[in-house]
Amino acid sequence: QSALTQPRSMSGSPGQSVTISCTGIRSDVGKYNYVSWYQQHPGKVPRLMIYDVSSGVTKRPSGVPERFSASKSDNTASLTISGLQADDEADYYCCSYAGAYTWVFGGGTRLTVL
Amino acid sequence: QVQLVESGGGVVQPGRSLRLSCAVSGFNFNNYGMQWVRQGPGKGLEWVAVIWYDGSKKFYADSVKGRFTISRDNSKNMVYLEMNSLRAEDTAVYYCARDYPNNAMDVWGQGTTVTVSS
Repeated sequence: QSALTQPRSMSGSPGQSVTISCTGIRSDVGKYNYVSWYQQHPGKVPRLMIYDVSSGVTKRPSGVPERFSASKSDNTASLTISGLQADDEADYYCCSYAGAYTWVFGGGTRLTVL
Repeated sequence: QVQLVESGGGVVQPGRSLRLSCAVSGFNFNNYGMQWVRQGPGKGLEWVAVIWYDGSKKFYADSVKGRFTISRDNSKNMVYLEMNSLRAEDTAVYYCARDYPNNAMDVWGQGTTVTVSS
């Protein structure tokens, strides 16, 4: 149950797009499309932004803007945020189902909007 | 509205026990699995445990297996996390979360803080 690998920090200017990577192994990200992404503002509760990266269709809970999209290739999942806004500045965590009814999170990426 | 409210956190000495509770409201609790996730100070999220909608199955992270026990009372809309043999590295904010289809966690409580220190 080793944590998924994410860049510690990333940044972008308002209006730009940023892509956050999340690298796992063949038995978690590589095997399952059950990758989810969470946004956490400082001192706040995590918020589900994306769930399930199968079939090339981004699945978002209601209320999450279409600017947030996700994909997966082999052992790496990615979250893309287009049209960056100031409120997108937060920590982002990926999470993958890892089989045997266990889950593993990434270490988190601090996104700064310049 | 859908709400999860954790309680039971506090300061506890290493080796001692603590029980966390999560009160659920606003949805049919009997239909959902529930998760516990923790976040150490200045650290990332760590999955802790999951319990099936009917309590029939429970699974744990290796880091807590044998020390923590997840349970639920569907008559009271409550989820619990019994934590034994606590260690300094168990210090964290503990969140309960609803198990969303497709293996995600769609609703989170506000968290309760556990500090293990002598």
